[in-house]
Amino acid sequence: EVQLVESGGGLVQSGGSLRLSCAASGFTFNHYWMYWVRQAPGKGLVWVSGIHDDGRRTNYADSVKGRFTISRDNAKNMVYLQMSSLRAEDTAVYYCARSLGSSSGDEDYWGQGTLVTVSS
Amino acid sequence: DIQMTQSPSSLSASVGDRVTITCRASQGIGSDLGWFQQKPGKAPKRLIYAASSLQSGVPSRFGGSGSGTEFTLTISSLQPEDFATYFCLQHNTYPSTFGQGTKVEIK
Repeated sequence: EVQLVESGGGLVQSGGSLRLSCAASGFTFNHYWMYWVRQAPGKGLVWVSGIHDDGRRTNYADSVKGRFTISRDNAKNMVYLQMSSLRAEDTAVYYCARSLGSSSGDEDYWGQGTLVTVSS
Repeated sequence: DIQMTQSPSSLSASVGDRVTITCRASQGIGSDLGWFQQKPGKAPKRLIYAASSLQSGVPSRFGGSGSGTEFTLTISSLQPEDFATYFCLQHNTYPSTFGQGTKVEIK
């Protein structure tokens, strides 16, 4: 069974840093791009970042570029999101996800989400 | 970045109604589009991939169409469990981008 479990969310002051983690299991982790998606309270989904199977390619939304860093440890089946210079507008539930953009019907999987609250 | 404009932002419909939701891309994305359903307090789940292909296990009342810049999600006969929020996602060009969402409510 595929599982994605996020952790690391919490309350942080504006300008602070936080690292989110996502533990993956039930699939061959190093065969998949992995993603972070966020959702502010009562708002829509925002694609935040993605990382290639081997970690060599990464992509970011403009709103987080230069402040957030995605990484992965294929030996531990973990993906991370290091967030710095946090702003109130970064307050959201952050989801870890797999197979977001599939052209082959490969099923998408999401974690349960972890809440990040940035206080000003 | 590619902008995805989704409409309407909300709609009210009755059980049995046909419902149509549209996403327009700011530039051509081929068929690199998925449709997701999200229920309150839950993670989203994809219904449609490659613009028009039904994800395994998804009821056939859901359908997708379009290519290039204009895409449509259709629910042929709305069921009680379909009241939810729907999002499109383009994955043609990074960064990927979601539409703003359409909340489907009970009339």
